[in-house]
Amino acid sequence: KQEVTQIPAALSVPEGENLVLNCSFTDSAIYNLQWFRQDPGKGLTSLLLIQSSQREQTSGRLNASLDKSSGRSTLYIAASQPGDSATYLCAVKTSYDKVIFGPGTSLSVIP
Amino acid sequence: KAGVTQTPRYLIKTRGQQVTLSCSPISGHRSVSWYQQTPGQGLQFLFEYFSETQRNKGNFPGRFSGRQFSNSRSEMNVSTLELGDSALYLCASSLAGIAGGGSYNEQFFGPGTRLTVL
Repeated sequence: KQEVTQIPAALSVPEGENLVLNCSFTDSAIYNLQWFRQDPGKGLTSLLLIQSSQREQTSGRLNASLDKSSGRSTLYIAASQPGDSATYLCAVKTSYDKVIFGPGTSLSVIP
Repeated sequence: KAGVTQTPRYLIKTRGQQVTLSCSPISGHRSVSWYQQTPGQGLQFLFEYFSETQRNKGNFPGRFSGRQFSNSRSEMNVSTLELGDSALYLCASSLAGIAGGGSYNEQFFGPGTRLTVL
């Protein structure tokens, strides 16, 4: 059974810092991994989608990597801004065509 | 291009009632997936509809059901509401659905419906 975890559960950093969020999954047989951000009480915004055959994806200040063999993905945020404050979730699509979400990392960027 | 829309945005019901939530996907998307989000359980997959057929189902009781119309709009129904059904219900649309390949299965989420059961 696929399980997805995210470390840390919460993170507080000063503005301008670079940071890394971690996502781990137990079954390496995934089709893709998607990173989302969620603002309080709102829906999810797609950030990056990495296919199983890819190693990383980049969008602006965001870079996501995927290492299937070790069951890990990282989301790197460069030069963090207060507007980056949100909960970040990763989700994997499994070989059984299900999408499993991690519990999320709550990020707070202090001005 | 309009995003995923969900109605209503907020809903208050009492135990034992039933409720219907609606989701309109992005134009051209044929897949709609539903999720329940609670503080204790996080985001959990309910079911996915593709071309009016339920293609995938999570581990929820039969009180949770859904359907999809020919225009890809989807509805989710919860009967005999329980206090534990209070949650944010999110729907997501994609071109090819969870089983699709490549970027066609990238999911785009709506703002959610906040259901409170009293």
